[in-house]
Amino acid sequence: EAGVAQSPRYKIIEKRQSVAFWCNPISGHATLYWYQQILGQGPKLLIQFQNNGVVDDSQLPKDRFSAERLKGVDSTLKIQPAKLEDSAVYLCASSFGQGWYFGPGTRLTVL
Amino acid sequence: AQSVTQPDIHITVSEGASLELRCNYSYGATPYLFWYVQSPGQGLQLLLKYFSGDTLVQGIKGFEAEFKRSQSSFNLRKPSVHWSDAAEYFCASNDYKLSFGAGTTVTVRA
Repeated sequence: EAGVAQSPRYKIIEKRQSVAFWCNPISGHATLYWYQQILGQGPKLLIQFQNNGVVDDSQLPKDRFSAERLKGVDSTLKIQPAKLEDSAVYLCASSFGQGWYFGPGTRLTVL
Repeated sequence: AQSVTQPDIHITVSEGASLELRCNYSYGATPYLFWYVQSPGQGLQLLLKYFSGDTLVQGIKGFEAEFKRSQSSFNLRKPSVHWSDAAEYFCASNDYKLSFGAGTTVTVRA
């Protein structure tokens, strides 16, 4: 069984630029999550999708972050414009029942 | 909403010695509890999980955890640590979303 795929693995941008991350969950997993993990901290949930609908986006900074999940499969997370404090690892996860599966993450550095 | 606290930021242990990582959870109706490990540059890997039943849970890589409702704890243990166990360990809980503690960094010295 293929795992959760994410790309790119690394991204370096300058502040005020925009960036997008892509996630392909495990086939058949209806629930998809984006987490932000700042160095030295635990992952923080940004947004949760159930199929292509948003279940929870209470922690998503909506003035600069956006996410979509077209057709209930792949998802993209966008930051526009990026700030220095957005430097973090962005983790995508999918779940089925009580099992969560995480992708390798995208490490974003904002200069 | 349920949450977890990991009191120890960093633990150093000698190779071959035992390891115990602490996790405290806030009260929830049905605590679903997890331990994940994250090696440098790697994704999160599930070590074990507790939903109900036997309070001593066995996981991968020789880890186990014990759920103690009276102490609101779900501590992770390993009897004999290997150098490859050096990593970041996260306790997590789920009520309607998976929430993580701040993590404990484990350093293994030779």
